[in-house]
Amino acid sequence: DVKVTQSSRYLVKRTGEKVFLECVQDMDHENMFWYRQDPGLGLRLIYFSYDVKMKEKGDIPEGYSVSREKKERFSLILESASTNQTSMYLCASSSKLYTEAFFGQGTRLTVV
Amino acid sequence: AQSVTQPDIHITVSEGASLELRCNYSYGATPYLFWYVQSPGQGLQLLLKYFSGDTLVQGIKGFEAEFKRSQSSFNLRKPSVHWSDAAEYFCAVAGGGNKLTFGTGTQLKVEL
Repeated sequence: DVKVTQSSRYLVKRTGEKVFLECVQDMDHENMFWYRQDPGLGLRLIYFSYDVKMKEKGDIPEGYSVSREKKERFSLILESASTNQTSMYLCASSSKLYTEAFFGQGTRLTVV
Repeated sequence: AQSVTQPDIHITVSEGASLELRCNYSYGATPYLFWYVQSPGQGLQLLLKYFSGDTLVQGIKGFEAEFKRSQSSFNLRKPSVHWSDAAEYFCAVAGGGNKLTFGTGTQLKVEL
């Protein structure tokens, strides 16, 4: 089975902190995605990566950056956390264009 | 730009009744379409997908969906709902450029 693992289930950070969310997949997938999920807004794409060191902005990239130094790992970075970034963050991976994405369990981030 | 609309935020059905969840997409070419389900506290699980061919696709847990190009729709159906089907359902479209876009979700409640 495909496994997508997010490093934390719950995280509490202070406003202004630099926050790293880590995601690892074990199936050699080319594509990796970061979404945030908020009630009534569904899943909104922050960034995605289709290869090592390659990234593209999604629909809401402001305030975020990403890093993909190795194929299996995709990190989401909040340069200076703000309270409006309190949310559930979901990582996903897929083997190639247009196959289904497999999701991690999510990280619930609270910024205080 | 690609987009997905799920017009029903909440739906309540009685156990044993039939179910249809609506999904409309916007994309210039033939899209790749997906339905995912998220149970409380769980990650997203793929129910079914449409890439090409037969416009009626079968998925897991007794779900099916029909792709209608003329209506830009990909509605999810189940003939007889079980209490365990209560969850949030997301429709998604994959268009150009590796991007996977989700709708805002439909929350399904099942009355016993």
